[in-house]
Amino acid sequence: DIVMTQSPDSLAVSLGERATINCKSSQSVLDNSNNKNYLAWYQQKPGQPPKMLIYWASTRESGVPDRFSGSGSGTDFTLTISSLQAEDVAIYFCQQYSSSPQTFGQGTKLEIK
Amino acid sequence: QLQLQESGPGLVKPSETLSLTCIVSTGSISSSSYYWDWIRQPPGKGLEWIASIHYTGGTFYNPSLKSRVTISVDTSKNQFSLKLNSVTDADTAVYFCAREWGMRGWFDPWGQGTLVTVSS
Repeated sequence: DIVMTQSPDSLAVSLGERATINCKSSQSVLDNSNNKNYLAWYQQKPGQPPKMLIYWASTRESGVPDRFSGSGSGTDFTLTISSLQAEDVAIYFCQQYSSSPQTFGQGTKLEIK
Repeated sequence: QLQLQESGPGLVKPSETLSLTCIVSTGSISSSSYYWDWIRQPPGKGLEWIASIHYTGGTFYNPSLKSRVTISVDTSKNQFSLKLNSVTDADTAVYFCAREWGMRGWFDPWGQGTLVTVSS
């Protein structure tokens, strides 16, 4: 199985400031045949299911605010929130879909400082 | 917009079988583009993919659970189901159903989730 490791486990950022969450995979999730990274990011608020934010490592889902962006390739990825809003308080997960079983990172809890 | 809703018992006794159904509404389960999945989340913990199924019946299972899991689809009812046998308290979790984009893809949308507690 591909192990997904996120850092940090928790993060406190001031409103309006940048938040950065990292995700590292134990194997590359880049498919060289199509140059796509098989990685997604989710946001989960208390009592709710995860909401998909970004797929193919950097493609924002329709309706997701443009302050959310994804970057990285191969084994190292980053989710960036450019200007933190109060409604962004949540747990964020990365997920690889390069190989079965699909696996998730352990989650990063984002709070307001 | 496509919606998914899980249903099933919230309490299962140890060694018995957990059975859940996911009803898909405002859209058809019979699309060649998608798989239909079960994912679980123990309280306060991370996410674990369990299994996926195509409307044609093709299935994939997480090897860690494969010996105890069966996923099935009923296209006439636009729903799919999960059975997990020989449950223990380690199977206590919120169980989500979700649509998977492709054979290996991201999950969107998700059902609200249903908490299943294993306890005598």
